[in-house]
Amino acid sequence: DADVTQTPRNRITKTGKRIMLECSQTKGHDRMYWYRQDPGLGLRLIYYSFDVKDINKGEISDGYSVSRQAQAKFSLSLESAIPNQTALYFCATSGGGMGNNEQFFGPGTRLTVL
Amino acid sequence: GESVGLHLPTLSVQEGDNSIINCAYSNSASDYFIWYKQESGKGPQFIIDIRSNMDKRQGQRVTVLLNKTVKHLSLQIAATQPGDSAVYFCAEFSRVTGGGNKLTFGTGTQLKVEL
Repeated sequence: DADVTQTPRNRITKTGKRIMLECSQTKGHDRMYWYRQDPGLGLRLIYYSFDVKDINKGEISDGYSVSRQAQAKFSLSLESAIPNQTALYFCATSGGGMGNNEQFFGPGTRLTVL
Repeated sequence: GESVGLHLPTLSVQEGDNSIINCAYSNSASDYFIWYKQESGKGPQFIIDIRSNMDKRQGQRVTVLLNKTVKHLSLQIAATQPGDSAVYFCAEFSRVTGGGNKLTFGTGTQLKVEL
């Protein structure tokens, strides 16, 4: 079984709809991240959480919100989706601490906003 | 501001040759770098990392070189195989306000291995 899972894997929605992307991990990591990837671009950080009570904005948080429901779950919401939020979204986790910086990524969610 | 970028968007190599993928960064305070590989339809996978107090680190068929003077790092893949075809990203760790770190990714280089 995959250590980091994302649901749904693909989603098509309309402008103005509320969308939630879910991420779950079985690695026991404290740190979780949401990124978006656009064609020809690298990954850009949306939000990150270093533990259940910690939420931090990344470089492109506008139009998004997150919820860290438990250590293993980190969800990303688009309150009112717009077409330029069409992208590939990745969740990642890391253990944190000294020498433990490697991030493990989920398979991605492809979101299309019409 | 900080930025991480790659010199070439696409690199084509013959199977069996060595590949060199380059990356420039601008945040001189960054103390840790990672190379990721992303195959089509999948999330990024960790390849190798290097700390700023090192100038070279070797893994299995891969070597990362860091030149802090010119803020440049490279990923060398020996005896490139078809399975190495993917997009490669460099990423740097930077400190964030209030403690902790975040990862800033470059735009990626597409490596194509020709048979």
